[in-house]
Parts: sequence; C-alpha cells; structure tokens
Amino acid sequence: GESVGLHLPTLSVQEGDNSIINCAYSNSASDYFIWYKQESGKGPQFIIDIRSNMDKRQGQRVTVLLNKTVKHLSLQIAATQPGDSAVYFCAHRQFRGSTLGRLYFGRGTQLTVWP
Amino acid sequence: GAVVSQHPSRVICKSGTSVKIECRSLDFQATTMFWYRQFPKQSLMLMATSNEGSKATYEQGVEKDKFLINHASLTLSTLTVTSAHPEDSSFYICSAIRTGGFGAEAFFGQGTRLTVV
Repeated sequence: GESVGLHLPTLSVQEGDNSIINCAYSNSASDYFIWYKQESGKGPQFIIDIRSNMDKRQGQRVTVLLNKTVKHLSLQIAATQPGDSAVYFCAHRQFRGSTLGRLYFGRGTQLTVWP
Repeated sequence: GAVVSQHPSRVICKSGTSVKIECRSLDFQATTMFWYRQFPKQSLMLMATSNEGSKATYEQGVEKDKFLINHASLTLSTLTVTSAHPEDSSFYICSAIRTGGFGAEAFFGQGTRLTVV
C-alpha cells in the first residue's frame, strides 16, 4: 500500500553537495512515476518523471532512477542549492484498472540545504 | 505548462460555517479533478475524485455530506466544507488532469490553508 499519513523523514545536506532522495512503492502494476517538490504553503510542483520502460532519466541538475525489480525510485539532485530546500514526494500511477490520472503519493522527504 | 488556479489560498472561518474552495484549470479542460488533504509534515491524502457532470467518488472514510464536491464544468471543480469544525483545519489541494498525447498529466493548484476557529 501507499505510505500516506506517516511523518516525513528528513535529509540535510551542505550547499553544493549532491542529494539523493529515495522512495519505495509496492504496486508492480505502476507504469509511470513522478517526483514533486513542495515548498511550504504551496502545492506540489512537477520536477521530473519516468515511465516504467526506462530505468534512468535526466533533467537539469536532477536524475531519476527506477529499479522495478525492487520497486525503488530515487531522485538525485546535483550541486544542491538552498532553493532546493523543500519536501519531495514521489508519486506513481497504475495504468490499468484505476481512475485516469490518479496518483499514489509516497510519504515525502524534507530536504534542508545548509549554506 | 498547464495552469491550475485554486482559490482562496487562505481562509479563516468560524466553527459551524461552510467554506467553498474553487479549483480552475485555466488553459485546458479537465474531465477529472482530484481533491487532497494534507496535514502538517505528512503526505497528500486523496479525498475524492471529481468527475465533470457526474457525482464525485469519495475515498473510504471521507464524509461525502461533509465535503461536497461539484464539478459543473470542464474547467471548475469546487469543494465545500460544510459545518466546518476545528478538526477540518488543514491544507487542501486540488489537481486537474489533462489528457492528450502524453496520457494523463496531473497539474496541481497552489493549495488552500483552511483554519476553523
């Protein structure tokens, strides 16, 4: 099931270091995965996505890795900046047998970047 | 990217009153919208699926008479918290689904901070 309702784990990094945020999911039927960034008092903001037929996708300073064997997703942020401080959520979608567009959210990770 | 506007961003109301939150897709039509609730330091919890022209589908444990959802047009869904109580205080977020060549993409509103006093 989804880890909704559990308190957030935290990750603290020094500015300039790389950050790795992890997420586990349980539904092997999930075919699409997204990482969101949520700043305090705001809605989730799309960062990067990946489909189940891929195991890696890169964006600007961010990389998402998908390991379907162990149902694990990670977000790597290169050269982390203070503006990256936020809560990061992974989300996934099950293509078949679900409401179109319904997302299942992970528990989230609070990233704090120290100058 | 597509824009979803949620209004109001903050609202304070007295216990026993009702509050309406609007979710608008500004540059696309959304047959489906979702409403989430988020407690501090926690993840988003899906409350209900809003379907244009039909009744909303509520998640288990969510009172449909308490949280009224209306999706009267392809660009607007509203969530009304009826007879609000302090325990209804929370952050409410909507998302609108845009369908197209990339499948179904979710776009989120800015959220509404509801405080019931």
